[in-house]
Amino acid sequence: DTAVSQTPKYLVTQMGNDKSIKCEQNLGHDTMYWYKQDSKKFLKIMFSYNNKELIINETVPNRFSPKSPDKAHLNLHINSLELGDSAVYFCASSQARGNTEAFFGQGTRLTVV
Amino acid sequence: AQSVTQPDIHITVSEGASLELRCNYSYGATPYLFWYVQSPGQGLQLLLKYFSGDTLVQGIKGFEAEFKRSQSSFNLRKPSVHWSDAAEYFCAVAQGNYGQNFVFGPGTRLSVLP
Repeated sequence: DTAVSQTPKYLVTQMGNDKSIKCEQNLGHDTMYWYKQDSKKFLKIMFSYNNKELIINETVPNRFSPKSPDKAHLNLHINSLELGDSAVYFCASSQARGNTEAFFGQGTRLTVV
Repeated sequence: AQSVTQPDIHITVSEGASLELRCNYSYGATPYLFWYVQSPGQGLQLLLKYFSGDTLVQGIKGFEAEFKRSQSSFNLRKPSVHWSDAAEYFCAVAQGNYGQNFVFGPGTRLSVLP
């Protein structure tokens, strides 16, 4: 049973399109995240939600909009895709306390052409 | 703001040799520290973590790490590397007691020679 699952695994789309990536966790965690991994493997947090409330919103273009319908789901919608959005996007979840680790999904490789 | 540095971008070792991957962090309070491994095309898997107590922590796959507060370091070690250990390794520090922010280092790519 996959703990953190995200779909799709691969996404190839044209510039200007709008796309969504879905994430679900079955760990009962309160906090969920989106991370972006660039071509140099650098991981940077984009958003963090706790119990459906936005906690962290890093400097991310407004074209990126997270949505958390419930605490088990955190989706990422991207408008007007640009070439520079090509990356691997990881969803993660954790308990909402200090001494806990994050559990990661398998990633979504987004390629904008 | 906290940060994590991993001085070695790429390390190559022979199978059976010992390994040490370096990690330094910058964080004012007692940090929560982690090592994750990422195999090609995969997500991140937790190797080990340090929250408090014994500064030498054991993880999965035969890895261990030692927290040294005086050096702000949390180096990862393995006495004998296997070919399957070839991957990208990330050190991370977590901040906050509510709404965690896991900050990752740039990663170290490990290659293993047969």
